[in-house]
Amino acid sequence: DTEVTQTPKHLVMGMTNKKSLKCEQHMGHRAMYWYKQKAKKPPELMFVYSYEKLSINESVPSRFSPECPNSSLLNLHLHALQPEDSALYLCASSHPHLPGQSSYEQYFGPGTRLTVT
Amino acid sequence: KNEVEQSPQNLTAQEGEFITINCSYSVGISALHWLQQHPGGGIVSLFMLSSGKKKHGRLIATINIQEKHSSLHITASHPRDSAVYICAVRWRETSGSRLTFGEGTQLTVNP
Repeated sequence: DTEVTQTPKHLVMGMTNKKSLKCEQHMGHRAMYWYKQKAKKPPELMFVYSYEKLSINESVPSRFSPECPNSSLLNLHLHALQPEDSALYLCASSHPHLPGQSSYEQYFGPGTRLTVT
Repeated sequence: KNEVEQSPQNLTAQEGEFITINCSYSVGISALHWLQQHPGGGIVSLFMLSSGKKKHGRLIATINIQEKHSSLHITASHPRDSAVYICAVRWRETSGSRLTFGEGTQLTVNP
Protein backbone atom coordinates (compact mmCIF):
# COMPACT_ATOMS: atom_id res chain seq x y z
CA ASP A 1 0.00 0.00 0.00
CA THR A 2 1.68 3.21 -1.20
CA GLU A 3 -1.26 5.48 -0.59
CA VAL A 4 -1.59 8.64 1.45
CA THR A 5 -5.22 9.55 2.06
CA GLN A 6 -6.57 12.95 2.98
CA THR A 7 -9.99 14.05 4.17
CA PRO A 8 -11.98 16.00 3.34
CA LYS A 9 -11.36 16.53 -0.39
CA HIS A 10 -12.97 19.96 -0.26
CA LEU A 11 -13.66 22.28 2.66
CA VAL A 12 -15.37 25.65 2.79
CA MET A 13 -15.13 27.48 6.08
CA GLY A 14 -15.84 30.89 7.48
CA MET A 15 -13.21 32.96 9.20
CA THR A 16 -14.64 32.16 12.64
CA ASN A 17 -14.91 28.40 12.12
CA LYS A 18 -12.72 25.67 13.55
CA LYS A 19 -12.04 22.69 11.31
CA SER A 20 -9.47 19.95 10.91
CA LEU A 21 -7.74 18.31 7.97
CA LYS A 22 -6.77 14.67 8.29
CA CYS A 23 -4.04 12.61 6.66
CA GLU A 24 -3.33 8.90 6.98
CA GLN A 25 -0.69 6.50 5.66
CA HIS A 26 0.07 2.86 6.38
CA MET A 27 3.49 2.57 4.75
CA GLY A 28 5.35 2.63 8.05
CA HIS A 29 6.73 6.08 7.30
CA ARG A 30 7.87 7.96 10.38
CA ALA A 31 8.12 11.39 8.68
CA MET A 32 4.97 13.26 7.70
CA TYR A 33 4.57 16.67 6.11
CA TRP A 34 2.04 19.42 5.56
CA TYR A 35 2.38 21.62 2.48
CA LYS A 36 0.33 24.58 1.28
CA GLN A 37 -0.02 25.13 -2.47
CA LYS A 38 -1.47 28.21 -4.15
CA ALA A 39 -2.59 28.12 -7.77
CA LYS A 40 0.21 27.85 -10.32
CA LYS A 41 2.84 27.76 -7.57
CA PRO A 42 4.95 24.93 -6.16
CA PRO A 43 4.13 23.50 -2.73
CA GLU A 44 5.36 25.42 0.32
CA LEU A 45 6.45 23.38 3.29
CA MET A 46 4.55 24.15 6.49
CA PHE A 47 5.42 21.43 9.02
CA VAL A 48 7.42 18.23 9.29
CA TYR A 49 6.91 15.56 11.92
CA SER A 50 9.64 13.00 12.50
CA TYR A 51 8.91 10.07 14.81
CA GLU A 52 5.71 11.85 15.87
CA LYS A 53 7.61 14.94 17.02
CA LEU A 54 7.47 18.31 15.31
CA SER A 55 10.86 18.80 13.66
CA ILE A 56 10.22 21.68 11.25
CA ASN A 57 7.82 24.62 11.55
CA GLU A 58 8.34 27.03 8.69
CA SER A 59 7.16 30.05 10.71
CA VAL A 60 3.54 29.16 10.08
CA PRO A 61 0.91 31.39 11.77
CA SER A 62 -0.58 29.93 14.93
CA ARG A 63 -4.02 29.73 13.34
CA PHE A 64 -2.63 26.50 11.83
CA SER A 65 -1.98 23.87 14.49
CA PRO A 66 -0.53 20.49 13.50
CA GLU A 67 -0.91 17.29 15.47
CA CYS A 68 0.56 13.83 15.00
CA PRO A 69 -1.39 11.52 17.32
CA ASN A 70 0.36 8.36 16.11
CA SER A 71 2.73 7.15 13.41
CA SER A 72 -0.04 6.77 10.82
CA LEU A 73 -2.04 9.94 11.34
CA LEU A 74 -1.41 13.63 10.84
CA ASN A 75 -3.93 16.37 11.52
CA LEU A 76 -3.97 20.07 10.76
CA HIS A 77 -6.30 22.07 12.98
CA LEU A 78 -7.58 25.32 11.51
CA HIS A 79 -8.94 28.27 13.46
CA ALA A 80 -9.71 31.88 12.57
CA LEU A 81 -8.33 31.56 9.05
CA GLN A 82 -8.09 34.39 6.56
CA PRO A 83 -9.27 34.36 2.93
CA GLU A 84 -5.63 34.31 1.80
CA ASP A 85 -5.28 30.91 3.47
CA SER A 86 -7.46 29.44 0.71
CA ALA A 87 -5.26 26.89 -1.05
CA LEU A 88 -4.66 23.21 -1.70
CA TYR A 89 -3.25 21.56 1.45
CA LEU A 90 -1.11 18.54 0.72
CA CYS A 91 0.07 15.88 3.10
CA ALA A 92 3.09 13.71 2.37
CA SER A 93 5.05 10.98 4.07
CA SER A 94 8.47 9.35 3.80
CA HIS A 95 11.06 7.52 5.83
CA PRO A 96 12.75 10.07 8.07
CA HIS A 97 15.98 11.63 6.85
CA LEU A 98 18.98 11.53 9.15
CA PRO A 99 22.21 13.47 8.49
CA GLY A 100 24.47 11.66 6.07
CA GLN A 101 21.86 9.09 5.13
CA SER A 102 20.25 8.40 1.78
CA SER A 103 17.25 10.34 0.62
CA TYR A 104 13.81 8.81 0.41
CA GLU A 105 10.85 9.40 -1.86
CA GLN A 106 7.99 11.45 -0.54
CA TYR A 107 4.51 10.11 -1.15
CA PHE A 108 1.85 12.77 -1.50
CA GLY A 109 -1.85 12.64 -0.79
CA PRO A 110 -4.51 14.03 -3.16
CA GLY A 111 -4.88 17.21 -1.11
CA THR A 112 -7.69 19.12 0.54
CA ARG A 113 -8.99 22.12 -1.39
CA LEU A 114 -9.71 24.75 1.27
CA THR A 115 -11.77 27.85 0.66
CA VAL A 116 -12.04 30.46 3.42
CA THR A 117 -14.98 32.84 3.06
CA LYS B 1 20.44 31.38 -1.53
CA ASN B 2 20.03 27.79 -2.74
CA GLU B 3 17.89 27.76 -5.85
CA VAL B 4 16.20 25.41 -8.28
CA GLU B 5 15.41 26.63 -11.78
CA GLN B 6 13.24 24.84 -14.33
CA SER B 7 12.80 25.46 -18.02
CA PRO B 8 10.69 25.94 -19.92
CA GLN B 9 7.86 27.36 -17.79
CA ASN B 10 5.29 26.30 -20.38
CA LEU B 11 5.55 23.70 -23.13
CA THR B 12 3.04 22.75 -25.80
CA ALA B 13 3.63 19.68 -27.92
CA GLN B 14 1.83 17.53 -30.47
CA GLU B 15 1.03 13.95 -29.63
CA GLY B 16 3.98 11.71 -30.35
CA GLU B 17 6.67 14.35 -29.90
CA PHE B 18 9.76 13.87 -27.75
CA ILE B 19 9.73 16.25 -24.78
CA THR B 20 12.52 17.51 -22.56
CA ILE B 21 12.15 19.50 -19.34
CA ASN B 22 15.25 20.86 -17.65
CA CYS B 23 16.19 21.55 -14.04
CA SER B 24 19.30 23.30 -12.72
CA TYR B 25 20.31 23.80 -9.12
CA SER B 26 22.87 25.89 -7.36
CA VAL B 27 24.81 23.73 -4.87
CA GLY B 28 25.40 20.09 -3.96
CA ILE B 29 22.40 17.85 -3.43
CA SER B 30 21.58 14.55 -1.76
CA ALA B 31 18.82 13.78 -4.22
CA LEU B 32 16.67 15.27 -6.97
CA HIS B 33 13.00 14.43 -7.39
CA TRP B 34 10.79 14.71 -10.46
CA LEU B 35 7.12 15.08 -9.58
CA GLN B 36 3.94 15.20 -11.66
CA GLN B 37 0.77 17.08 -10.79
CA HIS B 38 -2.44 16.89 -12.80
CA PRO B 39 -4.91 19.80 -12.63
CA GLY B 40 -6.58 20.03 -9.24
CA GLY B 41 -4.84 16.89 -8.13
CA GLY B 42 -2.26 15.53 -5.81
CA ILE B 43 1.39 15.05 -6.63
CA VAL B 44 2.90 11.82 -7.91
CA SER B 45 6.58 11.07 -7.47
CA LEU B 46 8.03 10.01 -10.84
CA PHE B 47 11.71 9.62 -10.03
CA MET B 48 14.25 10.19 -7.31
CA LEU B 49 17.85 10.49 -8.55
CA SER B 50 21.23 10.99 -7.01
CA SER B 51 23.26 9.97 -10.07
CA GLY B 52 22.98 8.58 -13.58
CA LYS B 53 19.74 7.78 -15.32
CA LYS B 54 16.41 6.13 -14.58
CA LYS B 55 13.68 4.94 -16.94
CA HIS B 56 10.06 4.09 -16.30
CA GLY B 57 7.92 3.37 -19.32
CA ARG B 58 8.08 6.39 -21.65
CA LEU B 59 9.73 8.57 -19.01
CA ILE B 60 13.48 8.96 -18.63
CA ALA B 61 15.27 11.08 -16.03
CA THR B 62 18.96 11.92 -16.12
CA ILE B 63 21.20 13.86 -13.80
CA ASN B 64 24.68 15.33 -14.23
CA ILE B 65 26.08 16.00 -10.77
CA GLN B 66 29.11 17.95 -11.99
CA GLU B 67 26.98 20.31 -14.07
CA LYS B 68 24.20 20.47 -11.43
CA HIS B 69 21.59 19.70 -14.05
CA SER B 70 18.81 17.18 -14.57
CA SER B 71 16.47 16.49 -17.47
CA LEU B 72 13.13 14.73 -17.69
CA HIS B 73 12.35 13.23 -21.09
CA ILE B 74 9.00 11.95 -22.31
CA THR B 75 9.08 9.80 -25.43
CA ALA B 76 6.03 9.42 -27.70
CA SER B 77 4.09 12.02 -25.73
CA HIS B 78 0.37 11.57 -25.22
CA PRO B 79 -2.41 13.99 -24.16
CA ARG B 80 -2.63 12.18 -20.81
CA ASP B 81 0.93 13.41 -20.13
CA SER B 82 -0.49 16.94 -19.87
CA ALA B 83 0.34 18.05 -16.33
CA VAL B 84 2.69 20.21 -14.32
CA TYR B 85 6.13 18.65 -13.85
CA ILE B 86 8.06 19.80 -10.80
CA CYS B 87 11.73 19.35 -9.96
CA ALA B 88 12.63 19.30 -6.26
CA VAL B 89 15.96 18.83 -4.50
CA ARG B 90 17.21 17.92 -1.07
CA TRP B 91 20.35 19.93 -0.43
CA ARG B 92 23.36 17.95 0.77
CA GLU B 93 23.94 20.34 3.67
CA THR B 94 20.31 20.33 4.77
CA SER B 95 19.51 18.34 7.83
CA GLY B 96 16.08 16.80 7.89
CA SER B 97 13.62 16.32 5.12
CA ARG B 98 13.16 19.75 3.56
CA LEU B 99 12.79 19.84 -0.24
CA THR B 100 13.28 22.93 -2.39
CA PHE B 101 10.93 23.02 -5.36
CA GLY B 102 11.30 24.53 -8.80
CA GLU B 103 8.45 26.63 -10.18
CA GLY B 104 7.18 23.80 -12.34
CA THR B 105 6.72 23.26 -16.08
CA GLN B 106 3.19 23.24 -17.46
CA LEU B 107 3.08 20.65 -20.27
CA THR B 108 0.19 20.49 -22.71
CA VAL B 109 0.14 17.70 -25.27
CA ASN B 110 -2.39 18.20 -28.05
CA PRO B 111 -3.90 15.28 -29.98
